[in-house]
Amino acid sequence: DAGVIQSPRHEVTEMGQEVTLRCKPISGHNSLFWYRQTMMRGLELLIYFNNNVPIDDSGMPEDRFSAKMPNASFSTLKIQPSEPRDSAVYFCASSLSGGPHEQFFGPGTRLTVL
Amino acid sequence: QQQVKQSPQSLIVQKGGISIINCAYENTAFDYFPWYQQFPGKGPALLIAIRPDVSEKKEGRFTISFNKSAKQFSLHIMDSQPGDSATYFCAASKGFNKFYFGSGTKLNVKP
Repeated sequence: DAGVIQSPRHEVTEMGQEVTLRCKPISGHNSLFWYRQTMMRGLELLIYFNNNVPIDDSGMPEDRFSAKMPNASFSTLKIQPSEPRDSAVYFCASSLSGGPHEQFFGPGTRLTVL
Repeated sequence: QQQVKQSPQSLIVQKGGISIINCAYENTAFDYFPWYQQFPGKGPALLIAIRPDVSEKKEGRFTISFNKSAKQFSLHIMDSQPGDSATYFCAASKGFNKFYFGSGTKLNVKP
């Protein structure tokens, strides 16, 4: 099993540029989560999907952030335009919904906005 | 508003000692309490979890103690090893989907 796959692993961009982070969940999982991790704010849930439908996006910081899940095997998190305060490690996680199932985290994307 | 409060922020323990990390929550509707372990450069991984209908769960050297009336739960690592050096996160959820994570504890086990 390949686990949750995220790309790119590292992204360095300049302020104002569009950034797209990608995630492939574990096959068969029907819940997908996007988290952001910083030293100041810890691990924050940005949005989660159940069966490709966004269920809770209350953690999305502002309209510059958007997430999509066009099918069960792919999701994107987009930041447009990016700002230096968006610099963080972004994690994608997946699980089976409907019970105390483990959330499996990907390796993360380290984003640096200059 | 922080749903789950975790302490200490960092912890240094000698090899063979006991590491104790504490968490407190406010929402009595929470019904699932996992602990995650994160090594540098990696994503968090589930270590152990507990439901509120039991007061303790043990898996190897790792034990969760749960106090429902105090709304507190803790992770105990017995016979701590250098390989346990990592950041530990507690979490809580209602309905298993949306996890509220604590701020994390960086554990350093000295050889």
